[in-house]
Amino acid sequence: QVQLQESGPGLVKPSGTLSLTCAVSGGSISSSNWWSWVRQPPGKGLEWIGEIYHSGDTNYSPSLKSRVTISVDKSKNQFSLKMSSVTAADTAVYYCARDYYYGSGSYDFWGQGTLVTVSS
Amino acid sequence: QSALTQPASVSGSPGQSITISCTGTSSDVVDYNSVSWYQQHPGKAPKLIIYDVSNRPSGVSNRFSGSKSGNPASLTISGLQAEDEADYYCSSYTSSSTVVFGGGTKLTVL
Repeated sequence: QVQLQESGPGLVKPSGTLSLTCAVSGGSISSSNWWSWVRQPPGKGLEWIGEIYHSGDTNYSPSLKSRVTISVDKSKNQFSLKMSSVTAADTAVYYCARDYYYGSGSYDFWGQGTLVTVSS
Repeated sequence: QSALTQPASVSGSPGQSITISCTGTSSDVVDYNSVSWYQQHPGKAPKLIIYDVSNRPSGVSNRFSGSKSGNPASLTISGLQAEDEADYYCSSYTSSSTVVFGGGTKLTVL
């Protein structure tokens, strides 16, 4: 059973950089799956941020592309999210997830989510 | 890319059936059979209940079914149960190799 666990600071200052890591256990990040980040502002809906394959190939949401970088560390079986120039609008629960099969765009395994608050 | 359109809320009585629609464009729902549905209970991560328009992952009740005929895609829940009360989200793969979610639908079981 694949398990994902997000980690990172719960509080980030405005204009700063949000950094999160998703540790994968019970499976290999080098499997034939894409690994994604999804966020959910308090009381609002889900927003897809982007995804990465173990080769390093990435796809990003057009609305966030200029501020987001997703990277993979195969030696640690984890992948990471960096989002720059954050504002209060970036306050959300951030989830990492694995796609059901290569390129499906469906996510069967999710982390529990981590709340990141942008505030001074 | 714009979010897919879902009704904000739907409701039904136990035992009844309800349908949630998910409207997109030719860049996503219309031209791709990569429509998924998720169930999310408060404070929990989303759970995949339908993938590729109408397929259920192992362990998901057959009371959940999905369909699509052009636009919109739809999720039907039959034999409503109290535990079905949750938020439901659709998503679709897009022509830009990205994924877009719907705004979500709150299901109330009366």
